[in-house]
Amino acid sequence: DTEVTQTPKHLVMGMTNKKSLKCEQHMGHRAMYWYKQKAKKPPELMFVYSYEKLSINESVPSRFSPECPNSSLLNLHLHALQPEDSALYLCASSQDGRIYEQYFGPGTRLTVT
Amino acid sequence: GDSVTQMEGPVTLSEEAFLTINCTYTATGYPSLFWYVQYPGEGLQLLLKATKADDKGSNKGFEATYRKETTSFHLEKGSVQVSDSAVYFCALSDPTNAGGTSYGKLTFGQGTILTVHP
Repeated sequence: DTEVTQTPKHLVMGMTNKKSLKCEQHMGHRAMYWYKQKAKKPPELMFVYSYEKLSINESVPSRFSPECPNSSLLNLHLHALQPEDSALYLCASSQDGRIYEQYFGPGTRLTVT
Repeated sequence: GDSVTQMEGPVTLSEEAFLTINCTYTATGYPSLFWYVQYPGEGLQLLLKATKADDKGSNKGFEATYRKETTSFHLEKGSVQVSDSAVYFCALSDPTNAGGTSYGKLTFGQGTILTVHP
């Protein structure tokens, strides 16, 4: 099973709201990723967790706060977002080791009003 | 740094036509190469991969061969279907070490929009 699940599928939030995106995988992967994707563009890496520790933060604004409660779960906490943060947010996971393909979830379509 | 260049789209074909989407890369190490497909309203799906020179990845009638001498990984399909309409991303993964653990950081091409008409 190569499934990564994400909830919610769609999210509309105001600029003063606090919300969270959730991602789950049960493939035993030890690296998990958050990406942001704008329309007709490739995904842009935001964060990487490796063995439940934050390994990479691609200079993402602090209004995005990642959390990895355990090896299967990844959250992205959102607060005081801007309209330009509206995008598709993708979660991915990969097995640690020499094979580096990443498996993506279906994404959360976020609209900030 | 690493980079991936894909042929510009969009690409429009009739059903049963032959498809080629060109992809070339620049990398400092020995990357793994991937093609991902994104159907409308969905996330990315891994279509095929190749991890070393001369490897051929294949899946669902799509093929791509890792050519180190030309730094290319062109995607081909002999007969496309309407259901193949999607955005195709070429990507490479160059092993990176962070915090003492290795993993692959993906570098994507800009994507090629494919539309197949009946």
